[in-house]
Amino acid sequence: DTAVSQTPKYLVTQMGNDKSIKCEQNLGHDTMYWYKQDSKKFLKIMFSYNNKELIINETVPNRFSPKSPDKAHLNLHINSLELGDSAVYFCASSLRRQEETQYFGPGTRLLVL
Amino acid sequence: SQKIEQNSEALNIQEGKTATLTCNYTNYSPAYLQWYRQDPGRGPVFLLLIRENEKEKRKERLKVTFDTTLKQSLFHITASQPADSATYLCALEDNFNKFYFGSGTKLNVKP
Repeated sequence: DTAVSQTPKYLVTQMGNDKSIKCEQNLGHDTMYWYKQDSKKFLKIMFSYNNKELIINETVPNRFSPKSPDKAHLNLHINSLELGDSAVYFCASSLRRQEETQYFGPGTRLLVL
Repeated sequence: SQKIEQNSEALNIQEGKTATLTCNYTNYSPAYLQWYRQDPGRGPVFLLLIRENEKEKRKERLKVTFDTTLKQSLFHITASQPADSATYLCALEDNFNKFYFGSGTKLNVKP
């Protein structure tokens, strides 16, 4: 049983397109996150949701819009994709907001051509 | 904002030796610090958490230390094995529930 799953695993698309990445966790956790890992391997937080409410919204272009339909899901929609959006996007979850281990999904490798 | 520094150069050691990885942070000391392991093509996996009032934490062959004076955490793997080869990330949380990750240090354990 996969604890945190993401789809798709790979995403290759043209500049200017709109795409979505889905994330689901079956751990019963309250908090979910989206991270971006660039080519230099830095893992940077983008968004954090707690019980479907947005609690962290980093300096991310507003082309990125997260959506949490319920506690177990946090999707990421990206409009007007740019070359610089190419990266690996990780979804993660934790039991609560603070001082908690994060469980990561396998990542979605996005390549914008 | 917080900045985390990990040695970007790969650490190459012989099987059976102790690997020591360093994590330095620049600003205020966090309440705790975490270490994760990341294998190629996979998401990070949690290993250990150490709190600011703990000097040392152990789990099997892993040991983590936390020195708030030096603003540094050391991660040790004793009796290292080729299967320990991976990238190791340290992470901390600031007062606004925001997580910061280091860029990781790649460990290569040679048989």
